[in-house]
Amino acid sequence: DAMVIQNPRYQVTQFGKPVTLSCSQTLNHNVMYWYQQKSSQAPKLLFHYYDKDFNNEADTPDNFQSRRPNTSFCFLDIRSPGLGDAAMYLCATWLGQGISGYTFGSGTRLTVV
Amino acid sequence: DQQVKQNSPSLSVQEGRISILNCDYTNSMFDYFLWYKKYPAEGPTFLISISSIKDKNEDGRFTVFLNKSAKHLSLHIVPSQPGDSAVYFCAAGGNTDKLIFGTGTRLQVFP
Repeated sequence: DAMVIQNPRYQVTQFGKPVTLSCSQTLNHNVMYWYQQKSSQAPKLLFHYYDKDFNNEADTPDNFQSRRPNTSFCFLDIRSPGLGDAAMYLCATWLGQGISGYTFGSGTRLTVV
Repeated sequence: DQQVKQNSPSLSVQEGRISILNCDYTNSMFDYFLWYKKYPAEGPTFLISISSIKDKNEDGRFTVFLNKSAKHLSLHIVPSQPGDSAVYFCAAGGNTDKLIFGTGTRLQVFP
């Protein structure tokens, strides 16, 4: 089945220790997104790639970086995680046209200790 | 500035009855809207969408109504089932490749 896969499902990292979250897709969608979601809040867009074009949200901290080495993979790098970065991180893909919306992965729950 | 608002954080409905989830938006440039359903420890899954040129879209037990003049949309689930218990997110999109999400409404359907 075509899908969006996020690894790992749960990640525990130490305060200040770099961590990378990964996302892969078999849908061949043009656009890939990273969202941060904290409890009882709306998913917050961090950045997205339209093909190779990187689009950073104005309020995304510099601590967050992303890489998309090819169509199928996208990575979220948190250079120095703080306690406030503990959240669910959602990867999503979109074909780039139509209103069918995004396809989301299952998310990675990040805990910072 | 919350462009998409879901003012009810939770809703409790008896099985078999209608569930109505509401969403308000502020940006008149949005031209399509979507509802997502999210179970705990899973990513959101697409449920139903509506274009701004329509005022209603129906898919089985799920119907979305759009009132552009009021900048309001609602999701109706009839009849509600226990498996519908989840968090429902409203999202809006326009001429960009980004969706803006609301804060979600937790629906609980009890027997």
